[in-house]
Amino acid sequence: AQSVTQLGSHVSVSEGALVLLRCNYSSSVPPYLFWYVQYPNQGLQLLLKYTSAATLVKGINGFEAEFKKSETSFHLTKPSAHMSDAAEYFCAVNSNTGFQKLVFGTGTRLLVSP
Amino acid sequence: GAGVSQSPSNKVTEKGKDVELRCDPISGHTALYWYRQSLGQGLEFLIYFQGNSAPDKSGLPSDRFSAERTGGSVSTLTIQRTQQEDSAVYLCASSDGLASNEQFFGPGTRLTVL
Repeated sequence: AQSVTQLGSHVSVSEGALVLLRCNYSSSVPPYLFWYVQYPNQGLQLLLKYTSAATLVKGINGFEAEFKKSETSFHLTKPSAHMSDAAEYFCAVNSNTGFQKLVFGTGTRLLVSP
Repeated sequence: GAGVSQSPSNKVTEKGKDVELRCDPISGHTALYWYRQSLGQGLEFLIYFQGNSAPDKSGLPSDRFSAERTGGSVSTLTIQRTQQEDSAVYLCASSDGLASNEQFFGPGTRLTVL
């Protein structure tokens, strides 16, 4: 069984500040991990993914995430927030075993203030 | 070369009516997924098609929900005798079924049951 926990339903930062969105996972098999972003009234867009290669993954729009097996974490960071980063962010897990449905966290809404 | 498309973008229906939601996956993608996004429930897996294999329907919430995929391409999600709790955004995703497991999402269909 797999699950994802996103700590904090809302995170507020100032423009230019560090963004840190937390994700912890549980998986009985080696996981693949994903971060998706959802802008209002739009579908999900992949930010980045971990598929057992490099543990530090760089994605689009300056985001990156680090897979830490010992902490079962895959936190998303960005050094400097931009107003356009305001959106909802979802962490998800699946694996390369069995079928590949994504199990999502409950999402974190990022608010960016000027 | 378009992405995943879904239609309609919005659907308003009366309780008890049947609805059909359509998904056109990315050409050549063998795997197709339906998810539901609703307040309080987050993103839930509904059903998964992979090639010619029998679909995995383990996420369908009741027997009022069904889906088919014709010719390995277009998929239709049908909800019979709609209830107010069916109101949600229904998201379709497709993938090439390879090890990267990356799923590409459509914009969703927002279903409102009055």
